[in-house]
Amino acid sequence: QKEVEQDPGPLSVPEGAIVSLNCTYSNSAFQYFMWYRQYSRKGPELLMYTYSSGNKEDGRFTAQVDKSSKYISLFIRDSQPSDSATYLCAMSEGDRGSTLGRLYFGRGTQLTVWP
Amino acid sequence: DTAVSQTPKYLVTQMGNDKSIKCEQNLGHDTMYWYKQDSKKFLKIMFSYNNKELIINETVPNRFSPKSPDKAHLNLHINSLELGDSAVYFCASSQVLRGGINNYGYTFGSGTRLTVV
Repeated sequence: QKEVEQDPGPLSVPEGAIVSLNCTYSNSAFQYFMWYRQYSRKGPELLMYTYSSGNKEDGRFTAQVDKSSKYISLFIRDSQPSDSATYLCAMSEGDRGSTLGRLYFGRGTQLTVWP
Repeated sequence: DTAVSQTPKYLVTQMGNDKSIKCEQNLGHDTMYWYKQDSKKFLKIMFSYNNKELIINETVPNRFSPKSPDKAHLNLHINSLELGDSAVYFCASSQVLRGGINNYGYTFGSGTRLTVV
């Protein structure tokens, strides 16, 4: 499945660094864009959610979507060791009956923030 | 109180056996899913059910059979287990709004780590 591409890393940064995570996609029908965080041996948890193009900020996290370039990003400011996890991007076509609720995931980027 | 719970968390079994994984959600969501996560962390959809109706059935061997007795439960039965079935299986749920627009993403269970030996 190559609809969503994400560099798996690993990415290792010092505490306090700004982290940039990215995904590209090929399906222009994607309308909903999400970032999930997955700690080791846990299920993914929804971190950020964006509809269509634009930016969304939540605390230290900023999600950006550029539909014209088919490119999405997640920025983490002032990164903390507790941010160490795998980050997965995910996308949905929205109101297509045949794909009702289906999310397409990237492979995930493994991030380590060291103190 | 766990929102999406899966049992068992770990399952080690021999090739050729039949096993089941159970999933329950208490979020009142109308759609449930099974995803398989391989050793490289890639999440691939297997099935989805909306209000007990099968909606998505990916190219999955017919040894895998989902069952949804009600919209809060989605179980996965696997016959004749093979080595390649070893993976983490995640159940998830979401509320798909009228018109099929899924605005809120999924809530995942904590996964069932299946090892076939």
